[in-house]
Amino acid sequence: AQTVTQSQPEMSVQEAETVTLSCTYDTSESDYYLFWYKQPPSRQMILVIRQEAYKQQNATENRFSVNFQKAAKSFSLKISDSQLGDAAMYFCAYRSTPHNFGNEKLTFGTGTRLTIIP
Amino acid sequence: NAGVTQTPKFRVLKTGQSMTLLCAQDMNHEYMYWYRQDPGMGLRLIHYSVGEGTTAKGEVPDGYNVSRLKKQNFLLGLESAAPSQTSVYFCASSYADGGTETSGGPYNEQFFGPGTRLTVL
Repeated sequence: AQTVTQSQPEMSVQEAETVTLSCTYDTSESDYYLFWYKQPPSRQMILVIRQEAYKQQNATENRFSVNFQKAAKSFSLKISDSQLGDAAMYFCAYRSTPHNFGNEKLTFGTGTRLTIIP
Repeated sequence: NAGVTQTPKFRVLKTGQSMTLLCAQDMNHEYMYWYRQDPGMGLRLIHYSVGEGTTAKGEVPDGYNVSRLKKQNFLLGLESAAPSQTSVYFCASSYADGGTETSGGPYNEQFFGPGTRLTVL
């Protein structure tokens, strides 16, 4: 079974600065997908960014980018120019290749609470 | 387009009582999921469904039952609630795997509902 580890329960960053959230995972599969979800105080889970394991290029979405190191099984999230609205719990998630039935589920890490300091 | 909705938003039960949580989606998604979120444990999958009339067990299925009689609805039932089931429950839905970029892509982004906070006394 796959596992996802987020070793930083809490992080804080000054507004407008850059912060990196860590995520590592354990899998024996070669094809899979990785995600970062944001959960603000409203509790709504929002997809921030995704990465396909077969793509070497790191995904980016505006101020959000990832550092995907497949050999090291590491998938960190970098938030540039942090804004007050970025304050939330961030979850890293893994899912297997979609080619086999039963692989549809996401496996989540325990989350990192990000605080933005004005 | 309401996305994924959950009913109720909050509920308090006594041990042994039963209840049903309703999840509805209006995106014509094939797949639907029920997760629970507990402090320090992230989200864990309870049950999921890959189509109308089908269900499958997830990581923590004990004490729960589900039904998917209609494509747009996914019900989560607690037959005899226990304090260990105190949690926040999230429903999610997604397109089926193998789709095109306009129908969710080969991977399935899961869209989440706002959650139901359940307390069992």
